[in-house]
Amino acid sequence: SAVISQKPSRDICQRGTSLTIQCQVDSQVTMMFWYRQQPGQSLTLIATANQGSEATYESGFVIDKFPISRPNLTFSTLTVSNMSPEDSSIYLCSVSQGNYGYTFGSGTRLTVV
Amino acid sequence: TQLLEQSPQFLSIQEGENLTVYCNSSSVFSSLQWYRQEPGEGPVLLVTVVTGGEVKKLKRLTFQFGDARKDSSLHITAAQPGDTGLYLCAGRFGNEKLTFGTGTRLTIIP
Repeated sequence: SAVISQKPSRDICQRGTSLTIQCQVDSQVTMMFWYRQQPGQSLTLIATANQGSEATYESGFVIDKFPISRPNLTFSTLTVSNMSPEDSSIYLCSVSQGNYGYTFGSGTRLTVV
Repeated sequence: TQLLEQSPQFLSIQEGENLTVYCNSSSVFSSLQWYRQEPGEGPVLLVTVVTGGEVKKLKRLTFQFGDARKDSSLHITAAQPGDTGLYLCAGRFGNEKLTFGTGTRLTIIP
């Protein structure tokens, strides 16, 4: 299965600033997915990123707040913009591996102060 | 948005005991997966079930898919401290995206 490198693993940021999270996959994939996981809770899909087109956002998530780039088939970034303490969470990227399910990065633990 | 309810939300048991975690929906799954997540890591796939009534075993873990494909269970026999983690079911409804359950946080006490 694919291996995903996600960074940073954690960060503490000031409110009002932005953080860009990067995910690198060791193989080419059509779609990459970005999830948010609040402490102790399940995963909520933020958006699906396709190479060469704009990301598709889920209800409650907007491009101005969570801009996504997908410049090629192995890389994607998620930016959390104009952060507030409510954005403190774990952010995860993932790819679908067919019968092997979804493979996830190790996550970025974000704390906004 | 489809909802997957897991129960219990939290479970803390002694090493060597057995346990069952449940995942329920009001809608029919086309497929269902179980993941385990440890602190500081992303979820890792344990199993995928597709056929109603299907039972899969992975060492001490037994996964069952309900006949109507609306529910699933995960049974762990003789739990060990290494089983500690967040267990997540995730279902696909038709061709829609994967939806994750509410999660069960399991703690095995040595």
